[in-house]
Amino acid sequence: AQTVTQSQPEMSVQEAETVTLSCTYDTSESNYYLFWYKQPPSRQMILVIRQEAYKQQNATENRFSVNFQKAAKSFSLKISDSQLGDTAMYFCAFMKSETSGSRLTFGEGTQLTVNP
Amino acid sequence: EPEVTQTPSHQVTQMGQEVILRCVPISNHLYFYWYRQILGQKVEFLVSFYNNEISEKSEIFDDQFSVERPDGSNFTLKIRSTKLEDSAMYFCASREVTEAFFGQGTRLTVV
Repeated sequence: AQTVTQSQPEMSVQEAETVTLSCTYDTSESNYYLFWYKQPPSRQMILVIRQEAYKQQNATENRFSVNFQKAAKSFSLKISDSQLGDTAMYFCAFMKSETSGSRLTFGEGTQLTVNP
Repeated sequence: EPEVTQTPSHQVTQMGQEVILRCVPISNHLYFYWYRQILGQKVEFLVSFYNNEISEKSEIFDDQFSVERPDGSNFTLKIRSTKLEDSAMYFCASREVTEAFFGQGTRLTVV
C-alpha cells in the first residue's frame, strides 16, 4: 500500500516571498504520478501541479514548481512570489498508474497562510 | 471549461435516513471516484468506478454505501442509513487519463 506524509501541518510566508512545502511517500511501484492539490476555504480541490515518476525533469507551472527526488521518495512544492490568494490547504497526492481504478492517496495536508 | 458538478452543495439529514449525493462528471472521462473529507482531516478514498462497475473500494465503503451510474451522465453515491460519523464533505472526481478533476463537494451533515 502507498502512503503519503506531509510533516508540516501549518506554514506561513510573507507576501512576495518563497515557501517550500514538503511531502514524502512510500511505494514499491516504479511508475506512478504525484500531484499537489490546493484547497482554499471554499473547500474545492484544485490541481496545482503534477509530476510523472518516469520524468527526471521537475514540473513547473508559473509560480509553482516541484523538487522531485525519486530515490529519496520526496516531492516538495515551491511557491515563488507568494500571493494572498495562495492561502489554502495544500495536499500532496500519489496515484499508482493510469489503469482502471487507480485512485489518489492523499497526505494529511499543510495549511499555508500568506501574510500581507 | 468542462467541470465536475455536484448536487446538492449542502445536505442535512436525520440519522438513519437515506441520502443520495449526485455528480455529473466531465463528459469524456472514463474513471469516476468518490472521496470524503471529515472536517479538518485528510481526504479519504471511498470508491472508484470504471466500465460500469466498481473497480476498487476502501474499508470505509461498507454495505451502507452504493454507487450507480444510472444514465450516461450522472454518478450517484447512496448512503442507506446515515450515521453521525458520516458527516463530512463528499467529493466526486473524474479523470480521462492522468489528472483527476474534483467537484465542489457536498457537505453532508447528519443530525
